[in-house]
Amino acid sequence: TQLLEQSPQFLSIQEGENLTVYCNSSSVFSSLQWYRQEPGEGPVLLVTVVTGGEVKKLKRLTFQFGDARKDSSLHITAAQPGDTGLYLCAAKVNTNAGKSTFGDGTTLTVKP
Amino acid sequence: GAGVSQSPSNKVTEKGKDVELRCDPISGHTALYWYRQSLGQGLEFLIYFQGNSAPDKSGLPSDRFSAERTGGSVSTLTIQRTQQEDSAVYLCASSVPAVTNYGYTFGSGTRLTVV
Repeated sequence: TQLLEQSPQFLSIQEGENLTVYCNSSSVFSSLQWYRQEPGEGPVLLVTVVTGGEVKKLKRLTFQFGDARKDSSLHITAAQPGDTGLYLCAAKVNTNAGKSTFGDGTTLTVKP
Repeated sequence: GAGVSQSPSNKVTEKGKDVELRCDPISGHTALYWYRQSLGQGLEFLIYFQGNSAPDKSGLPSDRFSAERTGGSVSTLTIQRTQQEDSAVYLCASSVPAVTNYGYTFGSGTRLTVV
């Protein structure tokens, strides 16, 4: 059983479109991170959310942590080809558990 | 260094051989993690080190896998008697003390191919 379920698994859109990807679980998390990974590279941290209901914005990216701290979403406005990549969510169940559990990711392709 | 450094970047080995993968974390990062990633998939936890505490080895898939961290800095992941199913990208990450909610800084990984 996967602790973190990400959807959709694959997403292909045209430049300029908006999109939302999701990260869901039945567990409560102390924190959740979103990463983007490009081919041949390691994941790069985009954001950490900690408080239930928290919303963070990073340019055209908006991240939301669910009120119950069990789920999160990533919304991209006016997607660009440079947004192409594998988007991974990761979470810790408690602050004393150093390791994070990762979802299987959403592969996003933005066509020019 | 400025980032997490992993070597080699690519490794092709014959089935049954032993391999060593190296990770040089960011200076001052006391937590170090090893993950494994199959093509286009998420990350599978292997092991993590935090300061002088006993490492969390709960993710190691078999006793052919081991890791050590010398002097609280460089780490080596060793796979003995490699099998084809060991083929994957092995990612190392480091972070500030693990009890905080900081994310990880990853290296670029070692792509291991067992033929």
